[in-house]
Amino acid sequence: SQQGEEDPQALSIQEGENATMNCSYKTSINNLQWYRQNSGRGLVHLILIRSNEREKHSGRLRVTLDTSKKSSSLLITASRAADTASYFCATSFGNEKLTFGTGTRLTIIP
Amino acid sequence: DAGVTQSPTHLIKTRGQHVTLRCSPISGHKSVSWYQQVLGQGPQFIFQYYEKEERGRGNFPDRFSARQFPNYSSELNVNALLLGDSALYLCASSFKAGAPNIQYFGAGTRLSVL
Repeated sequence: SQQGEEDPQALSIQEGENATMNCSYKTSINNLQWYRQNSGRGLVHLILIRSNEREKHSGRLRVTLDTSKKSSSLLITASRAADTASYFCATSFGNEKLTFGTGTRLTIIP
Repeated sequence: DAGVTQSPTHLIKTRGQHVTLRCSPISGHKSVSWYQQVLGQGPQFIFQYYEKEERGRGNFPDRFSARQFPNYSSELNVNALLLGDSALYLCASSFKAGAPNIQYFGAGTRLSVL
């Protein structure tokens, strides 16, 4: 079963705009990760945030985590066509097993 | 360095058949995990192996089994295939077991059951 859901399910924006997607989860976690998947192939790790962290940056990515609301957000700034992909949040607690959300399909319009 | 490699890339089987999927982790990685991704959904955890021992099992029937070899490569076996087993099967490796570990995914094997 899925841990939670990403919102929105699909998002289309113009190139250069910022994209924000949200993730909600159901149980306690040790950390939350975001992955990108192009065209139904393998997933690429983007960023990891631990449960005691509230915000983390990596290049054009900004992730926030609110454990009280069991939610996270991923912001991609200055979007590019190459950012077109599906984005998944994944949580883990106590072991390495990742529990993924349902994903947000992001389309960047050139 | 080579990433996680999976074979075959695509596979077509009929109901009731058996299938074996293979995965080679990144050199130096000792942990391998398997995930099933049905179209339109996020990946679901099937198994994790570390140092040739099963460390975790997801909510999948006993038709699904796996093993890890001394060179840390892994096989996922599925018996008595059902139409619902059609999915993208992803293998991921990491250096060690235990959180927090970034997992590196292969490109997957797309299985179609007819």
